[in-house]
Amino acid sequence: GAVVSQHPSWVICKSGTSVKIECRSLDFQATTMFWYRQFPKQSLMLMATSNEGSKATYEQGVEKDKFLINHASLTLSTLTVTSAHPEDSSFYICSAPDRVETQYFGPGTRLLVL
Amino acid sequence: GENVEQHPSTLSVQEGDSAVIKCTYSDSASNYFPWYKQELGKRPQLIIDIRSNVGEKKDQRIAVTLNKTAKHFSLHITETQPEDSAVYFCAASKGNDYKLSFGAGTTVTVRA
Repeated sequence: GAVVSQHPSWVICKSGTSVKIECRSLDFQATTMFWYRQFPKQSLMLMATSNEGSKATYEQGVEKDKFLINHASLTLSTLTVTSAHPEDSSFYICSAPDRVETQYFGPGTRLLVL
Repeated sequence: GENVEQHPSTLSVQEGDSAVIKCTYSDSASNYFPWYKQELGKRPQLIIDIRSNVGEKKDQRIAVTLNKTAKHFSLHITETQPEDSAVYFCAASKGNDYKLSFGAGTTVTVRA
């Protein structure tokens, strides 16, 4: 299957700082990517849809000014958590669909805000 | 929006027995139903999917059935093995925007 990578896999930061997470589709082009957040023992919650060349669309309740998304190319989307606080600590996962709609997930980024 | 319900939340089976997980969805326009397996701290891995133009699909020990009229679909794992222990998520999508709505997950434990 297709491969999606994420970087970094782990990040620990101080409260108030910003953290950037990268999501790359390695062997296919993705005009659309998705960002999820997963808290311990919970399901994946869709945060936003990243659209190449246009603005991201955010799910209800997700602050667009706090979670900045940039889809600069057909293989790269970035999520920046701005002014992170302890409640933003979570497992962030991206996904990208291939041409037949099958979605492949990145390995996830575990964020810990102190 | 789409609402996907998944049952049971936990499932413990004896090695060699079968495991069945059931999901229902609310939006009749949904037409793509994948199942993901997620091990602790890892990414969700697609194990099988089904589209609305078929009623059943099988891949070795894993099968999925879909009842469009009742709006439910199920995952069947036969001859379970300890390595099947994980959290399983069902999902549904309408296809036009590729957005997946996930169920709450089922923690499967296979007892040796």
